[in-house]
Amino acid sequence: DGGITQSPKYLFRKEGQNVTLSCEQNLNHDAMYWYRQDPGQGLRLIYYSQIVNDFQKGDIAEGYSVSREKKESFPLTVTSAQKNPTAFYLCASRPPGNTGELFFGEGSRLTVL
Amino acid sequence: KNQVEQSPQSLIILEGKNCTLQCNYTVSPFSNLRWYKQDTGRGPVSLTIMTFSENTKSNGRYTATLDADTKQSSLHITASQLSDSASYICVVISQTGANNLFFGTGTRLTVIP
Repeated sequence: DGGITQSPKYLFRKEGQNVTLSCEQNLNHDAMYWYRQDPGQGLRLIYYSQIVNDFQKGDIAEGYSVSREKKESFPLTVTSAQKNPTAFYLCASRPPGNTGELFFGEGSRLTVL
Repeated sequence: KNQVEQSPQSLIILEGKNCTLQCNYTVSPFSNLRWYKQDTGRGPVSLTIMTFSENTKSNGRYTATLDADTKQSSLHITASQLSDSASYICVVISQTGANNLFFGTGTRLTVIP
C-alpha cells in the first residue's frame, strides 16, 4: 500500500543522546516535512524538503538535523542540543500543486528520560 | 501575520448530537483551507478542502463552510458517533511561499455515550 512509514513508533532516550527518526514514503512525492506536536499546541514545522539533496529550516529547527539523500527517505535526527525533545513527531509528504494536502505517517513518540 | 485560530479548544458532546467547530484565519493571499481529523496517537487525515469559490462542502456527516470575506470556516458534524472523538485541525494554505501551510491548534472533540 502507498503511504508514509515512520519508525520507531515509541522511543526512549537518555539525556545527551542523539536519536534518529525514520520516515519513508512510496508515494513518489518530492516534498516532505517534519512536524513536532506538543499537547495543546498545533503542529510546528521543524524542517522541510522540496526535492532530493535540498532542505530548509522550519520554525523550530534548532537542535534538529535532517538529510534527503533519496526521494523516498527523510530522516530526522534529534540531537542533544534540543532542550526539550520529548514530543510527538510527525512526518508528511505532499503531492505537486497547491491543494495543501499532506499525507502523514503514524508518528513517533519520543520520550527523554 | 498569518495566523489560524480555532475554537473551542475542546468540546464534549453526547453521542447522536451535532456540533460545530470554528476556524478563523488571517492568512493572505488565501488559496484554500483544509480540515484534518487526527485520532489520538495517529497522524492527521484530510477530511475536506475548501477553495475560495466554495461556500459549503459535505463529506458524509461532515459539512464544511467557508466565508472568504470574513475569513471564517466551520466544520459541522451531524449525528455524532463515538468514532468522531478526535482532534480536528484547520490548515490554511496561502498562494505564495515555499512554506505556505498554516496550522490551527485544533479542537479536541470527545463524544460520550
